[in-house]
Amino acid sequence: EIVLTQSPATLSLSPGERATLSCRASQSVSRDLAWYQQKPGQAPRLLIYDASTRATGIPARFSGSGSGTDFTLTISSLEPEDFAVYYCNQCGNWPSTFGPGTKVDMK
Amino acid sequence: QVQLVESGGGVVQPGRSLRLSCAASGFTFSNYGMHWVRQAPGKGLEWVAVISYEGSLKYYADSVKGRFTISRDNFKNMLYLQMNSLRGEDTALYYCTRENIPRAATGNDYWGQGTLVTVSS
Repeated sequence: EIVLTQSPATLSLSPGERATLSCRASQSVSRDLAWYQQKPGQAPRLLIYDASTRATGIPARFSGSGSGTDFTLTISSLEPEDFAVYYCNQCGNWPSTFGPGTKVDMK
Repeated sequence: QVQLVESGGGVVQPGRSLRLSCAASGFTFSNYGMHWVRQAPGKGLEWVAVISYEGSLKYYADSVKGRFTISRDNFKNMLYLQMNSLRGEDTALYYCTRENIPRAATGNDYWGQGTLVTVSS
């Protein structure tokens, strides 16, 4: 199975700052990668699919890039509601797998 | 509006079985692939299984292959997960989720609230 590695494990930032989250796959997943946001006590929320396409209703401050094995989720300017855990997920090769997550917390 | 409502969780002894259900509404269920994703308490997300829109294709995580079976009833708009030979490490909140694009596995846009499975003697 494809293993996803996310870095950093924790990102401590202030509102208004830029967040850059990384996801690396153990082998190429082409552009079959999604990003999710999860807040405590809530189900995950789809942010990005196909590596760079924003899901319905997702603000433009969220953007995704990459292909093959290296992917990035960027939040251009953190809003208070963006502090959460972010997961990448490859869905091009079965079994699908999730990364371990990056927690974005408030400095 | 799209709704996914899981049921069937509970406390079960190791080695026993449990069947989870997910009632779907608000969309044409038979057009979408469906997944189960789980989350152990305080841990990250773990993908469990997928079934194609018409039910002919099924894939499983290595950790559950041979023990869990995913199925669907497109007439009843229901998704199921039959879980056999349960282990302590299967303890988790189980989410039913829908693929965001019909007949394409690109991501999951709707999630249920989850049903909790606890495997303990």
